[in-house]
Amino acid sequence: GAVVSQHPSWVICKSGTSVKIECRSLDFQATTMFWYRQFPKQSLMLMATSNEGSKATYEQGVEKDKFLINHASLTLSTLTVTSAHPEDSSFYICSAVVQMGSPLHFGNGTRLTVT
Amino acid sequence: GESVGLHLPTLSVQEGDNSIINCAYSNSASDYFIWYKQESGKGPQFIIDIRSNMDKRQGQRVTVLLNKTVKHLSLQIAATQPGDSAVYFCAENIGGGGNKLTFGTGTQLKVEL
Repeated sequence: GAVVSQHPSWVICKSGTSVKIECRSLDFQATTMFWYRQFPKQSLMLMATSNEGSKATYEQGVEKDKFLINHASLTLSTLTVTSAHPEDSSFYICSAVVQMGSPLHFGNGTRLTVT
Repeated sequence: GESVGLHLPTLSVQEGDNSIINCAYSNSASDYFIWYKQESGKGPQFIIDIRSNMDKRQGQRVTVLLNKTVKHLSLQIAATQPGDSAVYFCAENIGGGGNKLTFGTGTQLKVEL
């Protein structure tokens, strides 16, 4: 149980275009999902908290207009990287929790490469 | 361009030996701690967790120890196997009902045959 699915697993896009990444909780409902970013050989950095039916909460230094988050249902959150640039190339990982106080379950990540 | 990243600490162990991975956490208000395993190109996988009212918790082949006095967490893996090779992260959660996790820098575990 508690499976989190991300799509796509990898994507290559040209500079200036936008890319949408989907995060789904397959067998549970998630009112809260989290989006992380990870550079090679580095740790996971929290970008934002995605709340179903309300605006996302962004961490300090994360541009909300660049990283658009939509959590329209209890099983789906999307992250759109707008006007992507090569420095946005990274591994983006979402996570969800079945209930507060229990471990986060992570998706398998999306490798974004901006050329 | 190439990103400048940290060099992950590496722990090399022989197959069958026990592994101990250490983590220092930063916030004395953290009350929930989790160890995750991350294989290359994949998302983190939950291993074991512990709450601040405990100092030890055991799972299958894994044990987590928590020392709140020195803000130190360790993960012990018994009889390490090649499949245990991965990067291991500790994560801490500050109380308040939320699930925002702060991750440590990670340790690369390499199991040698």
